[in-house]
Amino acid sequence: AQKVTQAQTEISVVEKEDVTLDCVYETRDTTYYLFWYKQPPSGELVFLIRRNSFDEQNEISGRYSWNFQKSTSSFNFTITASQVVDSAVYFCALSKGAAGNKLTFGGGTRVLVKP
Amino acid sequence: NAGVTQTPKFQVLKTGQSMTLQCAQDMNHEYMSWYRQDPGMGLRLIHYSVGAGITDQGEVPNGYNVSRSTTEDFPLRLLSAAPSQTSVYFCASSYSTSGYSYEQYFGPGTRLTVT
Repeated sequence: AQKVTQAQTEISVVEKEDVTLDCVYETRDTTYYLFWYKQPPSGELVFLIRRNSFDEQNEISGRYSWNFQKSTSSFNFTITASQVVDSAVYFCALSKGAAGNKLTFGGGTRVLVKP
Repeated sequence: NAGVTQTPKFQVLKTGQSMTLQCAQDMNHEYMSWYRQDPGMGLRLIHYSVGAGITDQGEVPNGYNVSRSTTEDFPLRLLSAAPSQTSVYFCASSYSTSGYSYEQYFGPGTRLTVT
């Protein structure tokens, strides 16, 4: 069975601090995809990034960066120089196999950025 | 494109009533899925479809039915509502090309309360 664990339930930071969200996953599939989604207070789900199991290259996009390490089954997410608008719940998700339509979500990490 | 649309946005049901949550997408995506999100938790997969006429169960299918007669529509039916089905329901769609899967696009959600 697949499992995604986000051990941090809530993180509170002051604006401009960096924040790293941890994600650890379990799967028996050799081909899979990992995702991060953001859920702001308005409730919609916003896609942030997708990684497939064959691509361990880390990525930076603006103030966001991701660290995928297959050896430790982790896919961590860092927000650099956090802003109040980053306040949201962030979900890590794992697809079953190669199809990206069957996601297993972690429990989410609530990030609160204070001015 | 409207993306993924869901109706209604809010619904209150009495125990034992039935209803259908509507979901439509105009992106010609082959994959569609239904998830539920309970307070403080991540999303859990209810049912999914890989194309018109093809559906399958996810992690928490009991009490729900789906059908997919067209590519665009994927309604979720609650057969006999129970208080345990109080949740926010999200519909999502996605596609793949040459074996590579892309991220799921989520609808705005339907907040359902069963009394």
